Amino acid sequence: QQQVKQSPQSLIVQKGGISIINCAYENTAFDYFPWYQQFPGKGPALLIAIRPDVSEKKEGRFTISFNKSAKQFSLHIMDSQPGDSATYFCAASSGYGGSQGNLIFGKGTKLSVKP
Amino acid sequence: KAGVTQTPRYLIKTRGQQVTLSCSPISGHRSVSWYQQTPGQGLQFLFEYFSETQRNKGNFPGRFSGRQFSNSRSEMNVSTLELGDSALYLCASSGGVDNQAKNIQYFGAGTRLSVL
Repeated sequence: QQQVKQSPQSLIVQKGGISIINCAYENTAFDYFPWYQQFPGKGPALLIAIRPDVSEKKEGRFTISFNKSAKQFSLHIMDSQPGDSATYFCAASSGYGGSQGNLIFGKGTKLSVKP
Repeated sequence: KAGVTQTPRYLIKTRGQQVTLSCSPISGHRSVSWYQQTPGQGLQFLFEYFSETQRNKGNFPGRFSGRQFSNSRSEMNVSTLELGDSALYLCASSGGVDNQAKNIQYFGAGTRLSVL
């Protein structure tokens, strides 16, 4: 059973445009929602994260929007750049046992930003 | 500060063999998690160790096991390898001082395992 559903699978955006990736979760015990960016040959790197007591969080060009009632959250990349071309993963964890080390990932979105 | 180091970077094994992968976390981090990444299943949580104890476990068969040493370094072992075990195995460490930092998992570059 996939607990975190991510869409779209791939996304092509023009330079300067807005990239939007969506995720939906099922487990209401999840209390930590990070987004990771992965380049080929590298491990995932944390971009931005949010907790369910906040509806939006912004860091530079990256914004997470969170809708607790709909159990959905999304990543917006403003002014997308070719250097943003990578695979993006949403994730969630429940902090069970005092840990956030058991991330459940979405399947990923491959973003291509065209110059 | 050095990042998460995984060795080896690449491994080729044959079905039925066993393999051990190693992970050195960021200095001071006490939590180490392991993930399997495949094109079909994506990133899947294997297990997490904290202070030498397994704290969480994903839905993988018992052929997959791990351990953590007193210096927080961790190993994972896969016995009786199957073709489907071919994947990128990622290790992540966490354990910053403040509440926000301790949640951040820092990933290594992974070990690419090919089972022939």
